[in-house]
Amino acid sequence: DTAVSQTPKYLVTQMGNDKSIKCEQNLGHDTMYWYKQDSKKFLKIMFSYNNKELIINETVPNRFSPKSPDKAHLNLHINSLELGDSAVYFCASSQGRTANNEQFFGPGTRLTVL
Amino acid sequence: AQTVTQSQPEMSVQEAETVTLSCTYDTSENNYYLFWYKQPPSRQMILVIRQEAYKQQNATENRFSVNFQKAAKSFSLKISDSQLGDTAMYFCAFSHPNAGGTSYGKLTFGQGTILTVHP
Repeated sequence: DTAVSQTPKYLVTQMGNDKSIKCEQNLGHDTMYWYKQDSKKFLKIMFSYNNKELIINETVPNRFSPKSPDKAHLNLHINSLELGDSAVYFCASSQGRTANNEQFFGPGTRLTVL
Repeated sequence: AQTVTQSQPEMSVQEAETVTLSCTYDTSENNYYLFWYKQPPSRQMILVIRQEAYKQQNATENRFSVNFQKAAKSFSLKISDSQLGDTAMYFCAFSHPNAGGTSYGKLTFGQGTILTVHP
């Protein structure tokens, strides 16, 4: 069974479009995250939710809007896509939000904006 | 702000040999956690090992061990008896509790080191 799953795994779209990436975890965790990995492989946190509450919101354009319908899901909606949004987006989850908790990552979604 | 630096963009090692990946970090915190994550070509991020800053003993997980030098703010990963399956990108990461004793789990990553294990 997949612990953290993301759909789709690949997403190719035109500039200006709106798209969503879905994330689901079946680990019973209460904290979920979105990370962005750019073309140089640099990973940076974007958002974190704990029990459906937004707790981390890094400096991310407001075109990016996370939504957590329940503890097991954290979706990422992106409006008016730009070329610079091309990246791999990783969802992760952990039990609790303490600093030493292991984060379990999804397989990533490669977004290509043309 | 915390920063994590991995100064080796690429490393290579022969199968069965030992390799050490370097990581340094900058923080004013006294209590924090350090991690090494592995990202193979499949893209999946996998936790390799973690170290708590208040523990002096270096963490070990089978063939993986760390050399944690708190004063020098250094956290290197040693892989013994390298295997072909160790070929991956390795990321050093940092996390710290906030003043309330809990963190929001924010991981700050280094730039990564690509490790290639040759047969």
